[in-house]
Amino acid sequence: DAEITQSPRHKITETGRQVTLACHQTWNHNNMFWYRQDLGHGLRLIHYSYGVQDTNKGEVSDGYSVSRSNTEDLPLTLESAASSQTSVYFCASRNFQGIAFFGQGTRLTVV
Amino acid sequence: GIQVEQSPPDLILQEGANSTLRCNFSDSVNNLQWFHQNPWGQLINLFYIPSGTKQNGRLSATTVATERYSLLYISSSQTTDSGVYFCAVVVAGGTSYGKLTFGQGTILTVHP
Repeated sequence: DAEITQSPRHKITETGRQVTLACHQTWNHNNMFWYRQDLGHGLRLIHYSYGVQDTNKGEVSDGYSVSRSNTEDLPLTLESAASSQTSVYFCASRNFQGIAFFGQGTRLTVV
Repeated sequence: GIQVEQSPPDLILQEGANSTLRCNFSDSVNNLQWFHQNPWGQLINLFYIPSGTKQNGRLSATTVATERYSLLYISSSQTTDSGVYFCAVVVAGGTSYGKLTFGQGTILTVHP
């Protein structure tokens, strides 16, 4: 079955380190998104992409970057991890009908 | 930007009870989805419902786009219905590009 997967599921890193979270989908969707979920804020959009070589900033993009070298993958990089980036991160892709499907999430702790 | 408000914020039920969750949004939308986040954190698609009514088993949803609200009905609730229910919308128009804006969620607890 086609799916969207995130890795790792859990990650602990130190302040100042670079961290990359992986997102891979097998549906061949052009649209992909990264969200973070925090208590009191719900889910907020970090970055999104509408196709290969296309990337765009979302609502809370500071300190994050993405790249899109193929259709299947949208890795999220934290350039220099900060404690404020401790969160649960969700990747999503969207089909031609507009329906979004989410990965299982990655719980990131920055110590 | 668009405001998405969900009510109630918390809901506690006994197994077998019915409930209605509401989602109000402040602008025209061309996409509305309901999700259930289970206790393990997974976001599960319930409905894609930009307008009209849909049913799936004990769950149904209605969106009245002209009045800018959507309702999620849960009948004969079960303990497995516990979790957080999110409404998410995409603003109509040329600049939204499928970006979902989420409400704050309704936390549902169903007791046996």
